[in-house]
Amino acid sequence: NAGVMQNPRHLVRRRGQEARLRCSPMKGHSHVYWYRQLPEEGLKFMVYLQKENIIDESGMPKERFSAEFPKEGPSILRIQQVVRGDSAAYFCASSPNRGQTGELFFGEGSRLTVL
Amino acid sequence: KQEVTQIPAALSVPEGENLVLNCSFTDSAIYNLQWFRQDPGKGLTSLLLIQSSQREQTSGRLNASLDKSSGRSTLYIAASQPGDSATYLCAANGGSQGNLIFGKGTKLSVKP
Repeated sequence: NAGVMQNPRHLVRRRGQEARLRCSPMKGHSHVYWYRQLPEEGLKFMVYLQKENIIDESGMPKERFSAEFPKEGPSILRIQQVVRGDSAAYFCASSPNRGQTGELFFGEGSRLTVL
Repeated sequence: KQEVTQIPAALSVPEGENLVLNCSFTDSAIYNLQWFRQDPGKGLTSLLLIQSSQREQTSGRLNASLDKSSGRSTLYIAASQPGDSATYLCAANGGSQGNLIFGKGTKLSVKP
């Protein structure tokens, strides 16, 4: 059973470009969470999605960031007009249930560098 | 608002030593607490998950305890090995949505 798959593992963008990060949850998992880890900082929750629904986006920056989890295909975290402060590791986690008592399984992360 | 703190931020021990990593949280109304390991440039590997109704969980040389009333959890590593060198993160699950609130981690170095 493959784990949580994230791609790309590393992404370099120039300021003003767009970054798209993809996450395929573990088989049988329908709950996806995105976290961001800034250098020397802890992981911060960004958004929680189920298929075709955003459940909680309280951790998402108000502008330039969006996320989706379509009926078919991976979850996508999209960052428009990237700035240097967006440079970070972005982690996706999945869970088979709502998550109140369940375990979250994390991917290897996508490391974004903005030049 | 839940806050999770891990002390110490870094720890260096000789091989073979038993050690304890500490995690504290401000809101005792949690559903569970999860310990992770993170190697440099890598993702998070789940080590142990303790439900709010449990006091401890064990896996091999690892033992995690949970005391909700005092807002503390500890990760005990027995007979440490150089391969245990990594950053250890604890995360509290207190929201109805299952979001984890992470501490900043303890960076462990086990010297041969």
